[in-house]
Amino acid sequence: DTAVSQTPKYLVTQMGNDKSIKCEQNLGHDTMYWYKQDSKKFLKIMFSYNNKELIINETVPNRFSPKSPDKAHLNLHINSLELGDSAVYFCASSRYWTSGDSDTQYFGPGTRLTVL
Amino acid sequence: KNEVEQSPQNLTAQEGEFITINCSYSVGISALHWLQQHPGGGIVSLFMLSSGKKKHGRLIATINIQEKHSSLHITAPHPRDSAVYICAVTAGATNKLIFGTGTLLAVQP
Repeated sequence: DTAVSQTPKYLVTQMGNDKSIKCEQNLGHDTMYWYKQDSKKFLKIMFSYNNKELIINETVPNRFSPKSPDKAHLNLHINSLELGDSAVYFCASSRYWTSGDSDTQYFGPGTRLTVL
Repeated sequence: KNEVEQSPQNLTAQEGEFITINCSYSVGISALHWLQQHPGGGIVSLFMLSSGKKKHGRLIATINIQEKHSSLHITAPHPRDSAVYICAVTAGATNKLIFGTGTLLAVQP
């Protein structure tokens, strides 16, 4: 039983298109995250939601819009895709969002986005 | 300069050779995490620690809060341990992870 799942695994699209990546976790966690891994394999936080509410929005272009319909799902919609958006996007979840309750994060398998 | 620095960037070891990966950080943290990313791309959490030492099988993680330094040791590594090992910290009010640049470990038979 997959704990954190993402779809699709691979996404190839043209510049200017709009695309979405979906994430679901069945761990009963309250907090979910989107991380971006660039071409140099460096990971960086993009967004975090706790129980459907946005709590972290790092300096991300507003072409990226996360949506959390319920606490088990966190989707990422990207408008007007650019070449620089090519990366691997990882979803993750944890029980808590505050650092006072530091917690292991569970990662999805990643979505490799290629913008042509 | 990144808030989390790892060394070495690349490490080649012989099977069975004790190896150490180092991580230094420059911010106050609530916890430090060691993660493993296999060539297939998936990321797995190995350890989360805020003090002392933890051991899981052939992996040992230590942290020195005063020196803002952590080490990941692998005793008797196997070729299947070949992966990228990533140090990350939680700092500030939330549990967002701040990542190091990773260490690519290749274990040769």
